[in-house]
This record gives sequence, C-alpha cells and structure tokens, in this order.
Amino acid sequence: DADVTQTPRNRITKTGKRIMLECSQTKGHDRMYWYRQDPGLGLRLIYYSFDVKDINKGEISDGYSVSRQAQAKFSLSLESAIPNQTALYFCATSDLKGNNEQFFGPGTRLTVL
Amino acid sequence: RKEVEQDPGPFNVPEGATVAFNCTYSNSASQSFFWYRQDCRKEPKLLMSVYSSGNEDGRFTAQLNRASQYISLLIRDSKLSDSATYLCVVNFLTGGGNKLTFGTGTQLKVEL
Repeated sequence: DADVTQTPRNRITKTGKRIMLECSQTKGHDRMYWYRQDPGLGLRLIYYSFDVKDINKGEISDGYSVSRQAQAKFSLSLESAIPNQTALYFCATSDLKGNNEQFFGPGTRLTVL
Repeated sequence: RKEVEQDPGPFNVPEGATVAFNCTYSNSASQSFFWYRQDCRKEPKLLMSVYSSGNEDGRFTAQLNRASQYISLLIRDSKLSDSATYLCVVNFLTGGGNKLTFGTGTQLKVEL
C-alpha cells in the first residue's frame, strides 16, 4: 500500500462549488504539505502543517483552507472553486528529524469548469 | 528573479549519451539541495540529495557550488527509462521552519 494517499484522484466540478481534497499518510511524519502544480510554474506551496492543529500559509493560500485534525490526515478545501484553480494538487509529508526530504502522494487532478 | 531557475528543455538525447542539467538559486542562506524526478502525470520522487563535496549514485552525479549558487546533475549512459522531468529543489530555513522551493523542472527525452 502507498504511504501517502490522496482522494479523489480526479475531480471535475463547477465554478462556485465547495471541494475537499483528502490526504492520508502511514509514514508517521509530523509535517504535511499541500502543493499545486501548473504547467510552466512548477510546484507551489499552498499550506503546510508541522503538527496537529498547526496551520501555516504557503505562497498561494488565497481561496484555499486546510484542516489537520489528526497526524495522519491533512485536508484541503476550496470553499468556492474557480476555473483558475484547475491544476494538479499534491500532498506531501516529511519527517521532523530528517533532511526535509518530502514524500508525495499520487496527486489529484482537479478541473473547475 | 525566480528563487530556483532551471532550463525547461526538452533535452533530446540518444540512448547512451551523457547529459547535464544545471540549476541556479537566489537565496544564499539555502541549506540543502535535492534533485527530484517526476514522470509524466506522476508525483515527484527524490532522486538524490546534493552535497558540497559532490555525490554519485550509479550513473548519476550531483554537484553543488555554493559560491556560484549553482547545482548540477550529470547522467551518464542515458537509458530510455531516464526520460522524465528533473526538478531542482532548494531548502532554506525561515522563521516558520524549513522551506522547500522547487524549480519548474528540466525535461529529458532519451531516444533510441
């Protein structure tokens, strides 16, 4: 089984809808991250969490919110989806004691029409 | 100026060729450096860390030049399976903890 899983893997939705992307990990890592990837822009950090209930904004947090209710789970919400949030979303984890190597989930492809 | 810059490519090389990718970073306080590999529509995976002394892992060699703020990746004897996008990643310490910054990636296509 994969160490970092994401659900759903693909989602098509309409403008204005609320969407939640889920991430779960079995690695026992404290740190979790949400990124989006767009062609030509690379991976950009949306939010990150270093522990349960710890939430930090990344470089592009506007329009997104997150929840870290348990060590193994980190969810990303789009309160009112808009077309420019169409992207590939990755969750990642890292170990507090490591060199900050990050382990990524398989990604969620989100399309907002 | 982008924090991490890479040539997007694509680099089209024949099987067996040697190919080198370069990456520059702007933050002199950067602490650690990595190369990640990303296959099409898949998640990035760590290829190797980059150390000041340089490091080698089989056909792959990574070098770091802190004075010039420059990282390189050399792939010898390219295989078809090396075709992927290679992401240069830089880690530096901020008030909020370690922060990874990703380059946009260099695409490699190895051909018969």
